[in-house]
Amino acid sequence: DTEVTQTPKHLVMGMTNKKSLKCEQHMGHRAMYWYKQKAKKPPELMFVYSYEKLSINESVPSRFSPECPNSSLLNLHLHALQPEDSALYLCASSQPAWGSNQPQHFGDGTRLSIL
Amino acid sequence: GESVGLHLPTLSVQEGDNSIINCAYSNSASDYFIWYKQESGKGPQFIIDIRSNMDKRQGQRVTVLLNKTVKHLSLQIAATQPGDSAVYFCAENSGTGNQFYFGTGTSLTVIP
Repeated sequence: DTEVTQTPKHLVMGMTNKKSLKCEQHMGHRAMYWYKQKAKKPPELMFVYSYEKLSINESVPSRFSPECPNSSLLNLHLHALQPEDSALYLCASSQPAWGSNQPQHFGDGTRLSIL
Repeated sequence: GESVGLHLPTLSVQEGDNSIINCAYSNSASDYFIWYKQESGKGPQFIIDIRSNMDKRQGQRVTVLLNKTVKHLSLQIAATQPGDSAVYFCAENSGTGNQFYFGTGTSLTVIP
């Protein structure tokens, strides 16, 4: 079992729907991440939160909206997605990298399918 | 993001043999590297890490080698077992922030 919990595990939605992905960790980590992973490809960084503030947005389309309500929770709000957005969405957490990098711990992801 | 890794290779090894998985990176400023294992239906799992002030680090049955001169990273798995079958990714961090960039991955299959 991972220490980063993602819900739901699977999500099917239409292009006009609004849904949210959720991620939770209780390791006291203060950096949290969203990645997108297509089949047989490496994870691609989308967003980084450090101390609950958005620190990195890798030019992600505005139909993806992240939110970090507290140090344990990370959400990804989805609206008007396209079929090419179908992928595995991974959440990760770590201690922030202040001169001494720390490994990231990943959840098992949400498998998203856009109809 | 930065370019890490080459095309996605596959590697098949006999159970009990040693495995070597390679990764190339392009950012000479990268100072921290991680190897992850990803099994089907799971998220990446941390295996071992290495900082740029080292050239070798050992864990349980795994060794990571770092060659900064040619910007190359390798993962050696001793006495490979069927449970080692997975996709292996290297990831790099340049040290300027919290972002990590992944290589293309290697699919390892262990033949019993």
